[in-house]
Amino acid sequence: EAGVVQSPRYKIIEKKQPVAFWCNPISGHNTLYWYRQNLGQGPELLIRYENEEAVDDSQLPKDRFSAERLKGVDSTLKIQPAELGDSAVYLCASSFIANYGYTFGSGTRLTVV
Amino acid sequence: KNEVEQSPQNLTAQEGEFITINCSYSVGISALHWLQQHPGGGIVSLFMLSSGKKKHGRLIATINIQEKHSSLHITASHPRDSAVYICAATPPAGIQGAQKLVFGQGTRLTINP
Repeated sequence: EAGVVQSPRYKIIEKKQPVAFWCNPISGHNTLYWYRQNLGQGPELLIRYENEEAVDDSQLPKDRFSAERLKGVDSTLKIQPAELGDSAVYLCASSFIANYGYTFGSGTRLTVV
Repeated sequence: KNEVEQSPQNLTAQEGEFITINCSYSVGISALHWLQQHPGGGIVSLFMLSSGKKKHGRLIATINIQEKHSSLHITASHPRDSAVYICAATPPAGIQGAQKLVFGQGTRLTINP
């Protein structure tokens, strides 16, 4: 079974440019999470979906970040415009039952120059 | 003070040594996770435990609910064990934010040949 698939693995963009990350969770996993991990720190939750509904987006900087999970499967996280401070690893995770059996993707390492 | 604290932050050891990484938490939990993150960024779930002890190969995880403390042990350590090990807590069901993980800062482990 494929794990959580994220793309791209790496992205380098200039500040003020838009960027998008894609996540395909494990089949059947209803809960999808986007995390941001700054260097040397643990991941921080940006948004959590239950099926297609965003049930926790309190940490998502809504002025420049947006996310969607159409049809409750794949998800896209977008930043527009990107800032230097957005450089981080963006991790996607999914679980079948909340709090059980988390599976993380390999992450997208974003560098904003 | 972080709700989940790990120690040490960095650990360097020689191949074959017995490794212990500690995690203390100040919040109530329904489960505690140990995760492994390799330099590429991807995270692998090692253990999820709510009581007692779990073992998988050379890895052992223990938790003491009364003391709010968990440990991850690696026996006969090997250079391929070099990674960042992250402790993460899941708040109890019914608590706002119970669906997300609260992460420690991570422990960077380096095993030298």
